[in-house]
Amino acid sequence: AQTVTQSQPEMSVQEAETVTLSCTYDTSENNYYLFWYKQPPSRQMILVIRQEAYKQQNATENRFSVNFQKAAKSFSLKISDSQLGDTAMYFCAASGSARQLTFGSGTQLTVLP
Amino acid sequence: GAGVSQSPSNKVTEKGKDVELRCDPISGHTALYWYRQRLGQGLEFLIYFQGNSAPDKSGLPSDRFSAERTGESVSTLTIQRTQQEDSAVYLCASSLAPGGRETQYFGPGTRLLVL
Repeated sequence: AQTVTQSQPEMSVQEAETVTLSCTYDTSENNYYLFWYKQPPSRQMILVIRQEAYKQQNATENRFSVNFQKAAKSFSLKISDSQLGDTAMYFCAASGSARQLTFGSGTQLTVLP
Repeated sequence: GAGVSQSPSNKVTEKGKDVELRCDPISGHTALYWYRQRLGQGLEFLIYFQGNSAPDKSGLPSDRFSAERTGESVSTLTIQRTQQEDSAVYLCASSLAPGGRETQYFGPGTRLLVL
């Protein structure tokens, strides 16, 4: 079984600044995948970024990047040049041999003008 | 539309009534998932369908919950004799193929309120 922990229920950042959201996980599997999803007030879950555990290189998608520390089982999300549209709930998730995603409890990010 | 769609968007029901929620996956996606999201919480897995294989029902919280899917098309989640603790957003997701590496694409969810 996998567990995912997000210890920051709420965070805020000034527009154009950089913010890092934390996530730790636990798994006994060797092959697994990690994801960050964004959920704005519309409820639509949107994939932000994904990382394969067997890849050492950290994934990046435009302003979004991850810091994947496999030994520490840490998977943090960095958002650069924060924009008002980044305001949302962010969920860290993991999958492996079980097809379904295991989610953390989420971090509500507010970008301040 | 190219995305996952769900209906209804919102549903209010009385305790003890049955409800049926619908999910239309992305065309061509063989895997379909149902999740439940209680207020202020993360998503909990309910059930997973893959093609014509037997579904993985390991996340269903009680025998009042059931789901069906015909082939690779629409799925319905049914909750019988609803209870107030069933109030939540029910999210459906689909992926092109099975497996943990596949990205799941989510619908907008159905918000269920049991009075």
